Amino acid sequence: DTGVSQNPRHKITKRGQNVTFRCDPISEHNRLYWYRQTLGQGPEFLTYFQNEAQLEKSRLLSDRFSAERPKGSFSTLEIQRTEQGDSAMYLCASSLPWAGPTEAFFGQGTRLTVV
Amino acid sequence: AQSVSQHNHHVILSEAASLELGCNYSYGGTVNLFWYVQYPGQHLQLLLKYFSGDPLVKGIKGFEAEFIKSKFSFNLRKPSVQWSDTAEYFCAVTPAGNAGNMLTFGGGTRLMVKP
Repeated sequence: DTGVSQNPRHKITKRGQNVTFRCDPISEHNRLYWYRQTLGQGPEFLTYFQNEAQLEKSRLLSDRFSAERPKGSFSTLEIQRTEQGDSAMYLCASSLPWAGPTEAFFGQGTRLTVV
Repeated sequence: AQSVSQHNHHVILSEAASLELGCNYSYGGTVNLFWYVQYPGQHLQLLLKYFSGDPLVKGIKGFEAEFIKSKFSFNLRKPSVQWSDTAEYFCAVTPAGNAGNMLTFGGGTRLMVKP
């Protein structure tokens, strides 16, 4: 499968614990995005990388959230001291490095449940 | 900042009925527009996109959408739906000058097609 890969697919954690998700984009896609989708809502943009540089961060990304893409390939999203409100589907997407508009390809997401 | 409204949250149709899902966006400049579909248990997939040119765009599986700039709309249509079209549909927009192409999604429309 050459699509965007996300791991784990599901994560259940206790409130206050830290969690980390991984995203492997389509190879040659230098743009990588993280979105969050809560039940009954559309995805909301969290952050964007071009290669290893984090170029945009949404106000939704509180201080407890951190994302990295150290070598410009895979990315990790860490949530510290999880809260019940963090329960959501976390989606990763990637796109080609064209200067113009491009389409984003999405992974299947990591569903986080905070109990 | 841009926003997207999808007025129909749930739509139920019988097979062979015609479909039109509404999408309106709010943004003062030029935009790129997308429709994504999410089949049950699967990842978001691009249905069609509009960047420039002919405002009537055709996508996969017989879907089409028309960009009406004066109405800030990008409605999705299909002349005859099938049971396999049961899915959630998301309209998304990004400013045309947005080099990062971060998407703003609508809340989604859940379509159920009865056999």
